[in-house]
Amino acid sequence: AQSVTQLGSHVSVSEGALVLLRCNYSSSVPPYLFWYVQYPNQGLQLLLKYTSAATLVKGINGFEAEFKKSETSFHLTKPSAHMSDAAEYFCAVSSSGGYQKVTFGTGTKLQVIP
Amino acid sequence: DAMVIQNPRYQVTQFGKPVTLSCSQTLNHNVMYWYQQKSSQAPKLLFHYYEKDFNNEADTPDNFQSRRPNTSFCFLDIRSPGLGDAAMYLCATSRDRGQGRVNTEAFFGQGTRLTVV
Repeated sequence: AQSVTQLGSHVSVSEGALVLLRCNYSSSVPPYLFWYVQYPNQGLQLLLKYTSAATLVKGINGFEAEFKKSETSFHLTKPSAHMSDAAEYFCAVSSSGGYQKVTFGTGTKLQVIP
Repeated sequence: DAMVIQNPRYQVTQFGKPVTLSCSQTLNHNVMYWYQQKSSQAPKLLFHYYEKDFNNEADTPDNFQSRRPNTSFCFLDIRSPGLGDAAMYLCATSRDRGQGRVNTEAFFGQGTRLTVV
């Protein structure tokens, strides 16, 4: 069984400040980990993914995440928040074998304050 | 160049009246998924097709059915929608190329927001 836990359902940051969204995973096999972003009334867009290559993963829109096995974490960061980053962010996990049945975390809504 | 297309984007149906949501893909992916996402919640997997093989999640209500007539299309049928079925329904695809060669992410459509009146 695999799961992810996102800490904080709502995060507020000032424009230009560091964004840090937390995700911890649980998996009995080597995981694939993802961050998706969802804008209101839209589908999910992949920000970045970890697939056991480099532990520091760079994604779109200036986001990156670091896989830390010792901490079972995959936190999402961005050095400087932009107003357009306001959205809901989902951490997700799937097993590394076979096709992807993705399990999502409960999501974190990011508010960017001007 | 949309790759996973869901129609319609917004659907209003009457309580108890069957409704069908559609999904098409241009990626030629062999796996298609349907997720239900209620307000302020995470997407929840209802079922998926691995090619023609249907795989239902254990807790998906019988009220929800699916059809996949060919690689490109997949339908979600709700036989008797209740007020609790109002949600965003997300279709996604991924590709299992066999022999451990997997495209590692799922591609999502824009979703269909279902309202039950």
